[in-house]
Amino acid sequence: DAGVTQSPTHLIKTRGQHVTLRCSPISGHKSVSWYQQVLGQGPQFIFQYYEKEERGRGNFPDRFSARQFPNYSSELNVNALLLGDSALYLCASSLDPGQGYGYTFGSGTRLTVV
Amino acid sequence: LAKTTQPISMDSYEGQEVNITCSHNNIATNDYITWYQQFPSQGPRFIIQGYKTKVTNEVASLFIPADRKSSTLSLPRVSLSDTAVYYCLVGPPKAAGNKLTFGGGTRVLVKP
Repeated sequence: DAGVTQSPTHLIKTRGQHVTLRCSPISGHKSVSWYQQVLGQGPQFIFQYYEKEERGRGNFPDRFSARQFPNYSSELNVNALLLGDSALYLCASSLDPGQGYGYTFGSGTRLTVV
Repeated sequence: LAKTTQPISMDSYEGQEVNITCSHNNIATNDYITWYQQFPSQGPRFIIQGYKTKVTNEVASLFIPADRKSSTLSLPRVSLSDTAVYYCLVGPPKAAGNKLTFGGGTRVLVKP
């Protein structure tokens, strides 16, 4: 069975540009969450989506947005990129938002902003 | 959510037992203790979860004293492939919004 898949695996962008990251959850999982992990730190929660609706949002600026599609895949969008947005962006899926720690994480997208 | 404190790093050798202690003095009555493992360039992976006393699975053991203000993750007979960052998380088992709060973790380096 395929796990959580994220694309692209690596990405280099210039300050001020926009980026879209994609995530496909495990088959049957309806909840997707996004995390940002800056080098040397633990992952920080950005968003959670369930059944196409936002269920939670972390302390991130409005430049960050996300959406979930009918097939439960998800996109994370970041506008007006800053150097500080350079990080590993992780997607995690679970059966439902109340599954607590039953998350499965993808391998992430490494975003470098230059 | 309860704040956790764990060592920044630990070194060990192949075949040894590694014990990582996490302090969580403000743990709430309904909080569980969960440990994740993360290899470089990969997402975190659930290892073990417990509420009190001792929990054991095929990967690790988790020891939780009666006051629950700390917990110890025990990795028996580590190998080079156990080199990773280990995160201790404390919170209700089904947190609303499923927001997992990670701290800085403990970097474990297993040497030959």
